[in-house]
Amino acid sequence: QVQLVESGGGLVKPGGSLRLSCAASGFTFSDYYMSWIRQAPGMGLEWVSYISSSGSTIYYADSVKGRFTISRDNAKNSLSLQMNSLRAEDTAVYYCAREWLRFNYWGQGTLVTVSS
Amino acid sequence: QSVLTQPPSVSGAPGQRVTISCTGSSSNIGAGYDVHWYQQLPGIAPKLLIYGNSNRPSGVPDRFSGSKSGTSASLAITGLQAEDEADYYCQSYDSSLSVVFGGGTKLTVL
Repeated sequence: QVQLVESGGGLVKPGGSLRLSCAASGFTFSDYYMSWIRQAPGMGLEWVSYISSSGSTIYYADSVKGRFTISRDNAKNSLSLQMNSLRAEDTAVYYCAREWLRFNYWGQGTLVTVSS
Repeated sequence: QSVLTQPPSVSGAPGQRVTISCTGSSSNIGAGYDVHWYQQLPGIAPKLLIYGNSNRPSGVPDRFSGSKSGTSASLAITGLQAEDEADYYCQSYDSSLSVVFGGGTKLTVL
């Protein structure tokens, strides 16, 4: 069965960096676009970024453009999100999800807290 | 401010029918992009409820249905049950090459 497991969340100071990972299993990872979606505490869902199956096509939400970098390692069935210059408003649960036009599989999420 | 507009809350008694609207624009729903709906129970990841405007994934009861017209879409839930109490989100794609979500609607079963 499809499994997506995020890791790497934690507490970081404003201006700091964090790298999230998502381990995928149960499907042919290299066949699918992958996405990151976040949810601030008590708030709605916000799309962050997606990456094509080969990694050649990448898009970001304006709110993270220039600060976050999405990448993937198809040999390791792994998706990553490098987050730099973190701000308080980046505090959220970060989910990895399969595909990009609709999300039929989600991970359990990892919490990122940006606070001094 | 979300690109797609949903009512913050709706409510209904068990057995009743409720609808949740999702209003977009000519650059997303009105441009022909599909609308998808998610159900999020407290503390867990969202679950795909309706895809491609009106299709149900395997395992989703037929009490849930979706429709789309022009720049809007709707989710209808009939025969409301206590377990339906959750947050519901619509989602589509925008011509700006971004994925867009509604702000979410909290469904309360009275």
